[in-house]
Amino acid sequence: AQRVTQPEKLLSVFKGAPVELKCNYSYSGSPELFWYVQYSRQRLQLLLRHISRESIKGFTADLNKGETSFHLKKPFAQEEDSAMYYCALTGGGTSYGKLTFGQGTILTVHP
Amino acid sequence: KAGVTQTPRYLIKTRGQQVTLSCSPISGHRSVSWYQQTPGQGLQFLFEYFSETQRNKGNFPGRFSGRQFSNSRSEMNVSTLELGDSALYLCASSLELGYGEQYFGPGTRLTVT
Repeated sequence: AQRVTQPEKLLSVFKGAPVELKCNYSYSGSPELFWYVQYSRQRLQLLLRHISRESIKGFTADLNKGETSFHLKKPFAQEEDSAMYYCALTGGGTSYGKLTFGQGTILTVHP
Repeated sequence: KAGVTQTPRYLIKTRGQQVTLSCSPISGHRSVSWYQQTPGQGLQFLFEYFSETQRNKGNFPGRFSGRQFSNSRSEMNVSTLELGDSALYLCASSLELGYGEQYFGPGTRLTVT
């Protein structure tokens, strides 16, 4: 079974501070990991995926297979980063298109 | 390109009734997935359709069904509605089958009374 755990329901930081949103997963094969974000009154959208190794809006995430983690990091948080963040994975084979989401972390960046 | 659209946006139904929700994917996208979002269970995968065939299914009872048309548009149906079916139903489209990079619609808010 595939599972994604985001241990923090709420995370508050001040503008300019570093931020890390934690994500741990369990999957027996080689999953593909994603971070999705939902800003206030907007639809859920892809932020980044581990295979692209891109930095989007200053965010990065490294897949650590040993620790089965995919934490999202940004060195200097901005107020516009306030949103709900979801970590998600897909597996291989027939389940490849099925996104399994974590419960989400609400990030609030204070001025 | 226009994004994923879902109709209706809001729906109120009575327990025991059935409901049909509609989703139009991004032009050129061939795969459509459906998710249920509730405060308690979060986002849960319902099913994925590609080439008018269900390719992947989540752990939901048979009351939940769907279909996809030749133009990739999709509908999902819930029969014999229960109070617990109240949720936001999200549709997502992707280029091909099995893509984790999915583009979500705004959702249909279903309330069962």
